[in-house]
Amino acid sequence: EVQLVESGGGSVQPGGSLRLSCAASGFTFRSYAMSWVRQAPGKGLEWVSSLSDSSTITYYADSVKGRFTISRDNSRNKLSLQMNSLTVEDTAVYYCAKGRIEVADPADFDYWGQGTLVTVSS
Amino acid sequence: SYVLTQPPSVSVAPGETARVTCGGHDIGSKSVHWYQQKPGQAPLLVIYYDSDRPSGIPERFSGANSGNTATLTITRVEAGDEADFYCQVWDSNIDPPNVVFGGGTKLTVL
Repeated sequence: EVQLVESGGGSVQPGGSLRLSCAASGFTFRSYAMSWVRQAPGKGLEWVSSLSDSSTITYYADSVKGRFTISRDNSRNKLSLQMNSLTVEDTAVYYCAKGRIEVADPADFDYWGQGTLVTVSS
Repeated sequence: SYVLTQPPSVSVAPGETARVTCGGHDIGSKSVHWYQQKPGQAPLLVIYYDSDRPSGIPERFSGANSGNTATLTITRVEAGDEADFYCQVWDSNIDPPNVVFGGGTKLTVL
């Protein structure tokens, strides 16, 4: 059974940093692109970042480019998102999502975690 | 950047057919994926590659994509289908490519 479990969310002041993690199990983690998608309270889905299976290609939304860094540890089946210079607009539930196709672009997502809430407030 | 436009809401009576549209420039040339999200839950992939259904998704869910509009169709709508629906594409026409979501459509079962 595929499982994605996010952690690391919490409250932080504007300008602060937070590191999110996603523990994956139930599939060959190293073979799939992984992504982060967020959802502000009461709002729609917003793609944040994606990372290829071998970490060679990173993708970022313009809204987080230069502030967020996506990474993965294929030996530990873990995806991470380092978030710096946080603003109130970054407040959201952050979901970890698995690419559907093996060794391919992160074009769509067949499994999602339950999300972790990040609140940026003074 | 590429924009996907969805109606904010669609309402339908139980047993009827619901259609959720997703508009985008020449979207017919892209692969469209659809997600269902119920309150308090993570999104669930219900349609990929315009019209394919993942294992476990009822046949009542179908998709089509042509021209500037993609459509998710749900036949014989049930109360349990009430949810937010999002379309999504992989925009590979820009460098670097990125993921684009529509704004979402709230399906209300009357």
